[in-house]
Amino acid sequence: QKEVEQNSGPLSVPEGAIASLNCTYSDRGSQSFFWYRQYSGKSPELIMFIYSNGDKEDGRFTAQLNKASQYVSLLIRDSQPSDSATYLCAVKRSNFGNEKLTFGTGTRLTIIP
Amino acid sequence: ETGVTQSPTHLIKTRGQQVTLRCSSQSGHNTVSWYQQALGQGPQFIFQYYREEENGRGNFPPRFSGLQFPNYSSELNVNALELDDSALYLCASSLGEGDSPLHFGNGTRLTVT
Repeated sequence: QKEVEQNSGPLSVPEGAIASLNCTYSDRGSQSFFWYRQYSGKSPELIMFIYSNGDKEDGRFTAQLNKASQYVSLLIRDSQPSDSATYLCAVKRSNFGNEKLTFGTGTRLTIIP
Repeated sequence: ETGVTQSPTHLIKTRGQQVTLRCSSQSGHNTVSWYQQALGQGPQFIFQYYREEENGRGNFPPRFSGLQFPNYSSELNVNALELDDSALYLCASSLGEGDSPLHFGNGTRLTVT
């Protein structure tokens, strides 16, 4: 079992719709959860992080965390063509800066105009 | 703008050669982490340096080594390059004592032929 699992996609969503990206993790000791966006040929860009169960909203983005189910998701509202990218889920065992990130393989999202 | 600068941007080496990649940390950050991202995969943790000492290492062979300098800039050295070392190498800096999400530099694309 992979430590962090994501559906590799591609996930195609019409422009203006809600894109839903999912991630599960195997380590129950994980404390911090991150979503990165990566455009082709570029480095990952942090877009959201969440530490507590529930929802966290930032503009068009909402991260959702359910530690009991070991599940974290990212919702993108009013999807735009510029949202087309690979989305990487990452987890960390502690809330301290010196702990490594464990990444999934990413979900490729395509927004259809 | 993340404040983390990596050089060079692209590099082509031959199998068996050695390579040095460089990373300039964001001002005030005393921790630097290196990740390797192969095509179609998520980033994999190589190692981390905190105040010039290695304080965490992933599942990479000893031919992957690093340094952190007093100004907290860092180098990643890879000896005896193999074809599978072709990847995007990512550097991120952070405050080791606290909780700060990782922001990556623009990366170095290494191609081994």
